[in-house]
Order: sequence, then C-alpha cells, then structure tokens
Amino acid sequence: AQTVTQSQPEMSVQEAETVTLSCTYDTSESNYYLFWYKQPPSRQMILVIRQEAYKQQNATENRFSVNFQKAAKSFSLKISDSQLGDTAMYFCARVEYGNKLVFGAGTILRVKS
Amino acid sequence: NAGVTQTPKFQVLKTGQSMTLQCAQDMNHNSMYWYRQDPGMGLRLIYYSASEGTTDKGEVPNGYNVSRLNKREFSLRLESAAPSQTSVYFCASTGLAGGPGVFGPGTRLTVL
Repeated sequence: AQTVTQSQPEMSVQEAETVTLSCTYDTSESNYYLFWYKQPPSRQMILVIRQEAYKQQNATENRFSVNFQKAAKSFSLKISDSQLGDTAMYFCARVEYGNKLVFGAGTILRVKS
Repeated sequence: NAGVTQTPKFQVLKTGQSMTLQCAQDMNHNSMYWYRQDPGMGLRLIYYSASEGTTDKGEVPNGYNVSRLNKREFSLRLESAAPSQTSVYFCASTGLAGGPGVFGPGTRLTVL
C-alpha cells in the first residue's frame, strides 16, 4: 500500500516565482527520515533535501526548503526563485524499517520562461 | 569515486529470455536496493539487502531474484522475462541509518 502521497500530478510555475509541492505520509514511528528527490529528463535521481523527524527546524538547501508538519504528517517542498533547470519530476520519500525508501508517485514540475 | 554503477544502460529482451542486471557501489555502503519505475507509479522496491549476506523482498518481488555477491555488488535476475517487466530499473545504496539513497543511472529494459 502506498504510504507516501503526492496529490499534485503536475504543476507549473513562472521563472523566478515560488512553488510548493505537497506530500503526506503514513507512519507509526516517532523518529524517521523524509526526503525530496529530483529526477530531470536525464533520469538521474538527485537528492534535493533531507529532514529528520525529531528535528523541529525545517531543512533548507539554498532555494529549496521544506515545511514539515509532524502532527499532520505533511512534508511540502518550497522552491524559491524557480529556474528553468528546476523542471523535473519531484519525488517525496520516507525511510521505513531496513533503510527502505518508500516513494510517492511524483509531481511533474514545469518552469516556464 | 564512481558512486553507483549499473550495467547495461539499455536492454531489449524477448518474452521468456533471462538476464541479469548488475549493480556496484564504491562508497562502502551496507544497504543496497533494486527499484523499478513505471509511469504514474513512482519507484517501487523490488528487493533490498540491508547488509552483506542478507536479502529481503520489497513491494514487487515476483519474477525477480537477487544476489548480494559481496559488499559492493548486488545483482537482479529475471529468469523468464515478461512484457509486464518492461520498466526502468534503478539500483541504490545507503550508508548510515536513515541516510539518503545514492542512485545509479538506471537501466531501461524492454520485453517484447
């Protein structure tokens, strides 16, 4: 069963604007890890950002930041100052027992000039 | 330092043929994984190996077998390929608990 849900199959944003991608998940664990991966047309999976559930502070990597709401089991990705190179498929993922990464179905993001 | 390498990059098989996808990592990671990616489905876990000498089924193991040859290598075998196994296959490895997966470049497999 899918335990990571990305409700937006496709999104678009104008260059230089901000966009937020949504992700919700199921878990019964108190500590766990969440990730956002980017998959450009080259197909390579690239780690964008990582969040540890026990840390209250939202993770940030340059133009990428997350809004982690533990009680709501929500983990959204905000991309600021969007660039054409941000056009890609974005996957939310959660670690399960055994270091298994479980992925959502993905959101296609298109940045328009 | 090559990260995770996969061979081959592309493969076309006929129904019933067999083949092995090879994966190797040079980061001294304990855990290795095989995923398949299909349109609209995200990445689904086929098999994983939490450490050398162990393997476990993931979400979609039917039709596949794996071998953790040593700490570096983790192969995926299709004994009798079926059209439903047409997909892109990714190998990944992870070091620390909860650490991010480092992915290989993927193998595009087509079964006719």
